[in-house]
Formats: sequence, C-alpha cells, structure tokens
Amino acid sequence: QQKVQQSPESLSVPEGGMASLNCTSSDRNFQYFWWYRQHSGEGPKALMSIFSDGDKKEGRFTAHLNKASLHVSLHIRDSQPSDSALYFCAVSEQAGGYKVVFGSGTRLLVSP
Amino acid sequence: AQTIHQWPVAEIKAVGSPLSLGCTIKGKSSPNLYWYWQATGGTLQQLFYSITVGQVESVVQLNLSASRPKDDQFILSTEKLLLSHSGFYLCAWRTGGALEQYFGPGTRLTVL
Repeated sequence: QQKVQQSPESLSVPEGGMASLNCTSSDRNFQYFWWYRQHSGEGPKALMSIFSDGDKKEGRFTAHLNKASLHVSLHIRDSQPSDSALYFCAVSEQAGGYKVVFGSGTRLLVSP
Repeated sequence: AQTIHQWPVAEIKAVGSPLSLGCTIKGKSSPNLYWYWQATGGTLQQLFYSITVGQVESVVQLNLSASRPKDDQFILSTEKLLLSHSGFYLCAWRTGGALEQYFGPGTRLTVL
C-alpha cells in the first residue's frame, strides 16, 4: 500500500526563522506532490504543487523535488506565527489524479 | 466565486445510529468531489471520489457509503455508526483545470 512518510512529526522555530519539512513517497507510481496546510479546526488549503525535479518557489515557500528518491521538501523562510499549523504532503499517480494519498503530517509551531 | 458548504458543523451520535453528512459546492459546474476522514490531529484518509452525478468510487472500506444525487451535492452516510467513525469529515472539490483540491470547513463527528 502506498505510504507517504513525513518528517519531523513536529517542529518548533522562532519567528523569522527557517522551517524545513520532508516527505518521501514509497511508490514510484506516485510522483506528483502537493503541500497542504491545515490550521486547527479548518479544512486544509493547498500551498503548492511540484511535479518536476528541482525547486519551485512561491513567496516565502520553496519546495524541492528529487524524483529519483521520491523525496520532496518544503522550506518556509521568515516564518511567522500564522504559519503555525499542520502541514501535509500529498501524492498522486497523475497531476489530475483522483486518488490522493496524504502523509502523516508535520506540526509546525512558530514562536514569537 | 466558488463556495463549499458542509452540514452539519458538528454532530454527536450514538453507536448504532444512522448518519448523513452533506456537502454542497456552489459556483462550479461538474466538479470532481471527494470525501476524507481525519482522526484528531491525524492524517487525511480519502474515502470516496465522484467524477459525475450518480457515480461514486470507493477508496477505502469503512462501513460508509456515499452518493452524488446532484451535480453540486455529495452525501456521506451509514446506517449504523461505530465508535471508530468519530473524527473530522472533509469534503473537497476540484475541476479539470485545477490540480489542487479545495476543502470545505468540515464536520466534527463524535460517536458515543
């Protein structure tokens, strides 16, 4: 069964610091990655998708994908207290695939 | 603008009782619709997806069923609740032109 491993389980960074989150897919058929963020009591919101090797930057968020190792990372620079949330990596077999597998999540806490 | 509503916001039910949760998407025609379940603080488990009215695909068996009676409506139900059904139920939509899923606010279910 497809598994998506995320690390660390939890992370604490000071305001203004850099947060780095990791995600690895165990199935080579699942190579299309998304990052979602979920604040407490709300539904997740998509941060960004990444389908090609290399970096993708959107504002303070940068994702890096290594397809050979099926590993994707998310780096948040200049972290803000509002970035405190549960971060999920999600993978799919196709860019518009119907079946989506979510990782176990990383809980980020940004301290003022 | 597209809006997604889920009802009820929260529900407390007895073991063995029936359940019906609803989801409505306004402002988008023929969306792909999804149901997810999330244990408190846990990962998201995809339950069902629907590409069109009347057609629903099951992703995992959890003694739940889903139906899509209208283009903009997705219903999750069971005739007999189990304790393990407790959690956060999230509806999501996606259109062919977008790659990420947009989640609703969720329904918190407590089974006692």
